[in-house]
Amino acid sequence: EVQLVESGGGLVQPGGSLRLSCVASGFTFSDAYMDWVRQAPGKGLEWVGRIKNKDKSYTTEYAASVKGRFTISRDDSKNSLYLEMNSLRDVDTAVYHCARDGGQYSWDHWGQGALVTVSS
Amino acid sequence: DIQLTQSPSFLSASVGDRVTITCRASQGINSHLAWYQQKPGKAPKLLIYVASTLQSGVPSRFSGSESGREFTLTISSLQPEDFATYYCQHLDGIPITFGGGTKVEIK
Repeated sequence: EVQLVESGGGLVQPGGSLRLSCVASGFTFSDAYMDWVRQAPGKGLEWVGRIKNKDKSYTTEYAASVKGRFTISRDDSKNSLYLEMNSLRDVDTAVYHCARDGGQYSWDHWGQGALVTVSS
Repeated sequence: DIQLTQSPSFLSASVGDRVTITCRASQGINSHLAWYQQKPGKAPKLLIYVASTLQSGVPSRFSGSESGREFTLTISSLQPEDFATYYCQHLDGIPITFGGGTKVEIK
């Protein structure tokens, strides 16, 4: 069974930093493209960024709203995906989900999410 | 960026109703569109990919279609467990974007 489990969420002050983790199981993590998506309270879904696999040189891509502040990385030996968030703003408050690109122009598995609250 | 305009944003329907949700893309997306269902406090669940292919395990009352830049999610006979919010998503390049969502509530 495919599982994605996020951790690392919490309360952080504006301007602060936080690192989210997503541990994967049940599939060959190293083959997968992985994405981060977020959902502000009561709002819709917003793509944050993605990291491709080793074959694609671990290329990363980001939404304009987070580019330069957020960094996505992965450790295939630990089946883990990371989201390093710096210079956090109130508007970054959201539940952050990791998701697997299923290879069919869709995300076939999602984690339950980690809540990040940016507030003073 | 490709914009996805989803309509309606809110829909009130009864069990057994046929429900249609529309997603219009601002430019061609080569059928690279997916539909998701999200229930409160839960992660989204994939329903349909490449516009019309039903994800494994999803009931056949869900279907997807496309006509040009307009994509449609249809629920042929609404069931109690279908009351949720539905999102379209394109994956035809970066940035990936979502429609604004359609909340389906019980009439």
